[in-house]
Amino acid sequence: NAGVTQTPKFQVLKTGQSMTLQCAQDMNHNSMYWYRQDPGMGLRLIYYSASEGTTDKGEVPNGYNVSRLNKREFSLRLESAAPSQTSVYFCASRVAFDSYNEQFFGPGTRLTVL
Amino acid sequence: TQLLEQSPQFLSIQEGENLTVYCNSSSVFSSLQWYRQEPGEGPVLLVTVVTGGEVKKLKRLTFQFGDARKDSSLHITAAQPGDTGLYLCAGAPPSNTGKLIFGQGTTLQVKP
Repeated sequence: NAGVTQTPKFQVLKTGQSMTLQCAQDMNHNSMYWYRQDPGMGLRLIYYSASEGTTDKGEVPNGYNVSRLNKREFSLRLESAAPSQTSVYFCASRVAFDSYNEQFFGPGTRLTVL
Repeated sequence: TQLLEQSPQFLSIQEGENLTVYCNSSSVFSSLQWYRQEPGEGPVLLVTVVTGGEVKKLKRLTFQFGDARKDSSLHITAAQPGDTGLYLCAGAPPSNTGKLIFGQGTTLQVKP
């Protein structure tokens, strides 16, 4: 049981290049999330998917697209990378209980855009 | 927009000292979670508090949810170098969208 896995762990891009960050979970969770983490700003939600086949914008969606490929996989795409997208990206999945829910995070992708 | 303010942002203490981290909001949350994140890794869930006034203990860590469910605290007794890391609080809005609101984080350094 690997939990939430992300690839790649590190990536360096030049401005204008594109790339896709991959995320997979093996916990059979319905909901999945993409966050970015910048110093002093906590975690900010980029996009989320409440269930297979649905996606919604979060707090900072501009410059990103997502695909919920199936229940396990949720990818994040940068079509034309910009230096402002230099960040650490985390994928998470959620388990829902009666009165609360809990999120489980992957190890992150450290992206630098030059 | 619901916000969570964490304080302090940075804390550097000696091994054996006690500390408290605060997480405050003007909004009500249906539940609140605390995560710890070590360098180069993702956040790891420590605890979820759901009921106003709830207190949970995890070894030397004590978590409390405010009576009005607008704030929370994390108290560490006799801190150890292994407690070093980034502590994040995250609240779930009552609308139950499945989204979490994260605080900015508290970076804790415990020196031996």
